[in-house]
Amino acid sequence: DTAVSQTPKYLVTQMGNDKSIKCEQNLGHDTMYWYKQDSKKFLKIMFSYNNKELIINETVPNRFSPKSPDKAHLNLHINSLELGDSAVYFCASSHLRGGNYNEQFFGPGTRLTVL
Amino acid sequence: AQSVAQPEDQVNVAEGNPLTVKCTYSVSGNPYLFWYVQYPNRGLQFLLKYITGDNLVKGSYGFEAEFNKSQTSFHLKKPSALVSDSALYFCAVRAPTGTASKLTFGTGTRLQVTL
Repeated sequence: DTAVSQTPKYLVTQMGNDKSIKCEQNLGHDTMYWYKQDSKKFLKIMFSYNNKELIINETVPNRFSPKSPDKAHLNLHINSLELGDSAVYFCASSHLRGGNYNEQFFGPGTRLTVL
Repeated sequence: AQSVAQPEDQVNVAEGNPLTVKCTYSVSGNPYLFWYVQYPNRGLQFLLKYITGDNLVKGSYGFEAEFNKSQTSFHLKKPSALVSDSALYFCAVRAPTGTASKLTFGTGTRLQVTL
């Protein structure tokens, strides 16, 4: 069984379009995250939700809007896509309850290409 | 602000030889330290972590890491490298307190193990 799954795996779209990436975890974790990995493999946190509440909101353009309908799901919607949004987006989850020492489990990634 | 430095973009080692991937960190207070591995076109996989206690921590696939507080380092090691260890390795740090505490990654080190 896949612990953290993302759909789609690949997303190719035109500039200016709006797209969504979905993430689901079946680990029973209370916290989920979105990361962006650029072409140089640099990995940076974008958002984090704990029990459906936004707890981390990095300096990300407001074209990016996360949404957590429940603890097991965290979606990422991107409006007016730009060339610079091309990257691999990773979803992750962990237990935050009890402390920050729990490791995060990552999904397989969504490779977004904006043309 | 917390940060992680991985001074080597790439480490080359022959199969059977010991390997070391270097990591230094900066964070307020006692750190939680993590190592993750990323295989091509895959998500990150957790290898090991340091929370407290014994400075030498053991993880998956025969990897271990040594926490050195005075040198603020957390180098990843393996006594005998395998070709299958070839991948991208990320060191990460997280402050121990605060639900909004972020996991900050280094820039990654590519490990190349050759026959």
